[in-house]
Amino acid sequence: DAGVIQSPRHEVTEMGQEVTLRCKPISGHDYLFWYRQTMMRGLELLIYFNNNVPIDDSGMPEDRFSAKMPNASFSTLKIQPSEPRDSAVYFCASSLRGHPTDTQYFGPGTRLTVL
Amino acid sequence: GEDVEQSLFLSVREGDSSVINCTYTDSSSTYLYWYKQEPGAGLQLLTYIFSNMDMKQDQRLTVLLNKKDKHLSLRIADTQTGDSAIYFCAARRSSNTGKLIFGQGTTLQVKP
Repeated sequence: DAGVIQSPRHEVTEMGQEVTLRCKPISGHDYLFWYRQTMMRGLELLIYFNNNVPIDDSGMPEDRFSAKMPNASFSTLKIQPSEPRDSAVYFCASSLRGHPTDTQYFGPGTRLTVL
Repeated sequence: GEDVEQSLFLSVREGDSSVINCTYTDSSSTYLYWYKQEPGAGLQLLTYIFSNMDMKQDQRLTVLLNKKDKHLSLRIADTQTGDSAIYFCAARRSSNTGKLIFGQGTTLQVKP
């Protein structure tokens, strides 16, 4: 398997623009997670899905952020409108089931810069 | 809520042992993890330990857990330059199907 695939790897945009980050989880994995990593706040869980259904979105910072998972092989994280403070590395991860011993496999991340 | 703390930086010489420390606040955390992040990459699970264990060893890695003090450590024996990376400690409750709480990460620098 190719692992978790994220695109784009780098995104530079201007404040106010819409940004869409994409993720393809490992085939057969039931859980998908979106994380954000910044120097100030470290690694934060934004939202996670089980079988395409959002389970916990308490980490989503504001209404400007939205995430969808239309099918088992694709998820998006959208920021509209984007702000400079959204600049971060966004990781997608997936795991087979929800059991604590199931490894969360991380993608390479999308580095977002909002000017 | 849960809080996980780590020291930010550790520097060792190649061949020495490295010990990275972590503390957590939620006594309900029953699963504790160590992840490694290399530059420009995502996180990779190194090992995990259940709260009913005191120690777990996996090749060069030894994890020690002190439940009373809520303290977790990762020891890397015979540290190599390839071990240079950021190491994250994470905690999870058994009742929670997905949510990991991560520490800030410890940057390990290995000098030749």
